[in-house]
Amino acid sequence: ETGVTQSPTHLIKTRGQQVTLRCSSQSGHNTVSWYQQALGQGPQFIFQYYREEENGRGNFPPRFSGLQFPNYSSELNVNALELDDSALYLCASSYGTHTEAFFGQGTRLTVV
Amino acid sequence: AQSVTQLGSHVSVSEGALVLLRCNYSSSVPPYLFWYVQYPNQGLQLLLKYTSAATLVKGINGFEAEFKKSETSFHLTKPSAHMSDAAEYFCAVSYAGGTSYGKLTFGQGTILTVHP
Repeated sequence: ETGVTQSPTHLIKTRGQQVTLRCSSQSGHNTVSWYQQALGQGPQFIFQYYREEENGRGNFPPRFSGLQFPNYSSELNVNALELDDSALYLCASSYGTHTEAFFGQGTRLTVV
Repeated sequence: AQSVTQLGSHVSVSEGALVLLRCNYSSSVPPYLFWYVQYPNQGLQLLLKYTSAATLVKGINGFEAEFKKSETSFHLTKPSAHMSDAAEYFCAVSYAGGTSYGKLTFGQGTILTVHP
């Protein structure tokens, strides 16, 4: 059984650019949630995908968007990057109505 | 909306001493509660969870937590700290059902330092 994997592990982008982060969910999991963790803060919920449909969104602007694919892997896209988008982005997968979430190692995004 | 407050951003204990990390939640419905641990430059690992079964929950690495509805608390304890327990700990709350299905609201985190 493989765990949750995220790619890339580190990324540096310039303000105004666009970025795509990827997440492979744990085997058998059909739900993926994305979180943003700024330095020194707890993770903040961005959105969740369940069976390829968005299923809840946190307080993030529309330039944060996502996709979930038929194999339940997921992408997080951020357009028009701002300096404050610099953070660790965490992906978590879970199955059905169980709310226990298993997290990946995260992608460290630095916007300069 | 649900919220979580972790009392104390930093806790320091000696090796072998009791570990107590405090978490209070705000909820208008029965919550699911979680404790996660995060080691430097890593993701989050689930320590334990409360999902309306036994109020005293045992987790990995000797940690346990007690759900107290009257106090809206879910404090994390470990009888004897080990150097390897040094990490950041997050309390989180979630709900089953509705649009916040599976959404976790985290506290600000508590950094645990263990001294020899």
